[in-house]
Amino acid sequence: DAGVIQSPRHEVTEMGQEVTLRCKPISGHNSLFWYRQTMMRGLELLIYFNNNVPIDDSGMPEDRFSAKMPNASFSTLKIQPSEPRDSAVYFCASSLRQGQGIEAFFGQGTRLTVV
Amino acid sequence: AQSVTQPDIHITVSEGASLELRCNYSYGATPYLFWYVQSPGQGLQLLLKYFSGDTLVQGIKGFEAEFKRSQSSFNLRKPSVHWSDAAEYFCANNDYKLSFGAGTTVTVRA
Repeated sequence: DAGVIQSPRHEVTEMGQEVTLRCKPISGHNSLFWYRQTMMRGLELLIYFNNNVPIDDSGMPEDRFSAKMPNASFSTLKIQPSEPRDSAVYFCASSLRQGQGIEAFFGQGTRLTVV
Repeated sequence: AQSVTQPDIHITVSEGASLELRCNYSYGATPYLFWYVQSPGQGLQLLLKYFSGDTLVQGIKGFEAEFKRSQSSFNLRKPSVHWSDAAEYFCANNDYKLSFGAGTTVTVRA
């Protein structure tokens, strides 16, 4: 299996522009997670899906952030409009199912820079 | 909700020396604990996990961790560190969502 695939690996955009990050989970996994990593705040869980349904989006920082999972093999995280403080590495992860003790597998991340 | 704490932000160790990284958890029910490693510019890779049973857990890359309920700890160890072990290490727990500690950066000196 190719693992969790994220695109793009790097994104540089201007403040105010829309940014879309993409994720393809591991085939057969039915839980998907979006994390943000910064020096100041570490790894933060933004949102997670189970069977394509958003279960907990309490970590989404503002209404500028939105995430979708239209099918089991694809998810997007959108920021509109983007701001410099959104600069971070965004990780997508997937797991076989949602529940206690289930490990997640991570993609390589998307490094977002908003100038 | 359960949470984990990593008290050490940065540790420097000599190549060939032993390494121990600390992780403390706040107790709820049975904790589900993990250690992940992140090499520079990479995603997170699972080293090992603990659910129940044997309190000493073996992982990949020669790492092990010991669960101690009396100390609310799940410390990661490696007997002899290699230069390639330089990375950031995260303790995590999963009580329905995977939450991470702040991480410990390990520097290996020759």
